[in-house]
Amino acid sequence: GAVVSQHPSWVICKSGTSVKIECRSLDFQATTMFWYRQFPKQSLMLMATSNEGSKATYEQGVEKDKFLINHASLTLSTLTVTSAHPEDSSFYICSATSGNQPQHFGDGTRLSIL
Amino acid sequence: GENVEQHPSTLSVQEGDSAVIKCTYSDSASNYFPWYKQELGKGPQLIIDIRSNVGEKKDQRIAVTLNKTAKHFSLHITETQPEDSAVYFCAAGLGRDDKIIFGKGTRLHILP
Repeated sequence: GAVVSQHPSWVICKSGTSVKIECRSLDFQATTMFWYRQFPKQSLMLMATSNEGSKATYEQGVEKDKFLINHASLTLSTLTVTSAHPEDSSFYICSATSGNQPQHFGDGTRLSIL
Repeated sequence: GENVEQHPSTLSVQEGDSAVIKCTYSDSASNYFPWYKQELGKGPQLIIDIRSNVGEKKDQRIAVTLNKTAKHFSLHITETQPEDSAVYFCAAGLGRDDKIIFGKGTRLHILP
């Protein structure tokens, strides 16, 4: 089946630094990728929709200057958390889809800001 | 925008029995209803999905029913096994390649 790879799986960094998370579709070309945030024991909250070659569409309440999304190719999207603070600590998950395919999810990145 | 309600939040069933999880949605334009299973520390995995032109879909021990008039859909797992223990999420959206909104999840425990 379709595989989506996310890297890194876990990152710990100091407050004020920026962190980049990669999302790759390994065996299909993803025209659309989605970024979600999930707090412990809670649901997935959509942050933004990313289409290859165009600017991401952010959900209401998500700061686009805080969470930079780049979708430069049909197999790679990146999420950069800029000037991260402890409240940004969360589980970030991406998904990818193409045409009539359902969303396939990566295994997430656990971000811990000290 | 779309709002998806999911019940129950926690469900415990005896191994071998059936489990049912129910969801309602608010946007009558939604046409696509996937169900995902999430294990600890992993991303969600699609287990079954249904489009609005179909009332029921089955895949081995898993079935989903959809009542578009009432705007609710349900997941049925029969002959439950220990490996079915996980968190299950329903979702609703316009299509497979469009954004989907998730319910709050159901933590399913299969009791030996």
